[in-house]
Amino acid sequence: DAGVIQSPRHEVTEMGQEVTLRCKPISGHNSLFWYRQTMMRGLELLIYFNNNVPIDDSGMPEDRFSAKMPNASFSTLKIQPSEPRDSAVYFCASTRLGDTGELFFGEGSRLTVL
Amino acid sequence: GNSVTQMEGPVTLSEEAFLTINCTYTATGYPSLFWYVQYPGEGLQLLLKATKADDKGSNKGFEATYRKETTSFHLEKGSVQVSDSAVYFCARPYDKVIFGPGTSLSVIP
Repeated sequence: DAGVIQSPRHEVTEMGQEVTLRCKPISGHNSLFWYRQTMMRGLELLIYFNNNVPIDDSGMPEDRFSAKMPNASFSTLKIQPSEPRDSAVYFCASTRLGDTGELFFGEGSRLTVL
Repeated sequence: GNSVTQMEGPVTLSEEAFLTINCTYTATGYPSLFWYVQYPGEGLQLLLKATKADDKGSNKGFEATYRKETTSFHLEKGSVQVSDSAVYFCARPYDKVIFGPGTSLSVIP
């Protein structure tokens, strides 16, 4: 079975450019999470969705960040405009509501903003 | 409140040494508890879990016992290997999963 699929795996861009990260959760999962990981701040929850509806976006750093989940099998995290401090690894994870709470993580998208 | 506190590293051990990484939690009730592991360049993956008090989770030689009297879920392994070098996260589900800060483990030959 396919796990959580993220793309791109690596992205290098220049400050001011728009960045779009994509995630396909595991089929049948109905809860999706976006995390950011840096050496300085560790693993931070940015936003999560239940049944495609954003439930808590309090971790989104500022208005430059936005996330959507147009259907059960796809989500995007967009940064516009990007800044060097956004450089991090962004993880998507999914789970099925009502199960044990185990999260299944993608392999991450490593973003470098020059 | 609801939180997870874990021993912060980095931790460096020699091969075959004994490992303990402490984790304590605050919670209403008795939630499931998890340990995740993140190998270099990869995402987090579940290492073991315990779904109720007094349960012991185990996998790959690692163990953790859910102790409600001390609200702890310490991770242990009797003999670590170089391949165990990774970052370990204690976690508990709430309306969203709450992760500890992670403990980096390096095992040297």
